[in-house]
Amino acid sequence: AQSVSQHNHHVILSEAASLELGCNYSYGGTVNLFWYVQYPGQHLQLLLKYFSGDPLVKGIKGFEAEFIKSKFSFNLRKPSVQWSDTAEYFCAVNERGGADGLTFGKGTHLIIQP
Amino acid sequence: KAGVTQTPRYLIKTRGQQVTLSCSPISGHRSVSWYQQTPGQGLQFLFEYFSETQRNKGNFPGRFSGRQFSNSRSEMNVSTLELGDSALYLCASSFAGTGGYEQYFGPGTRLTVT
Repeated sequence: AQSVSQHNHHVILSEAASLELGCNYSYGGTVNLFWYVQYPGQHLQLLLKYFSGDPLVKGIKGFEAEFIKSKFSFNLRKPSVQWSDTAEYFCAVNERGGADGLTFGKGTHLIIQP
Repeated sequence: KAGVTQTPRYLIKTRGQQVTLSCSPISGHRSVSWYQQTPGQGLQFLFEYFSETQRNKGNFPGRFSGRQFSNSRSEMNVSTLELGDSALYLCASSFAGTGGYEQYFGPGTRLTVT
């Protein structure tokens, strides 16, 4: 069965700091990878996705993630965070070409202090 | 383009009752998936419908069921409600199957079982 592990459940940073949120998955086949964000009071929004091709993907709001197949990782990065980045971040995976739903990590609660 | 809509947004039910939740996908999307979000278990996949057929189901008891109509709208039903069914139920739509397309989430229905 697939599983997704997000290393940090709570992260507190100051504005302008750099961000890296870890995500590792366990799955033997070919996968699609996603990062979703849930801002306070809002619904889940797609930040970025990886299906194939360039392992470095760029998403909205200056976020990027790198797929490292050998490490089964898909870490999320942002060079300089803003107060408005305060939110819950979820890493998710599913089987490429399959009919599976997404398997989500437990989420990382990110707080940006002004 | 209008997003995924879910009705009702909030619901309070009593143990033993049944409940039906509704989801309207983004126009043109044929796949609808349902997820349960709880503080303890996080986001868990319930099932996915594509062209009125259930293609996959997560690890939930048979009390959880769903269906999809010819216009791609979907309903989810939970019978004989238990206290542990209290959760945020999220619907997500995608253009085709979940294995090749990103999913867009609705705001959710908050179900409270008393």
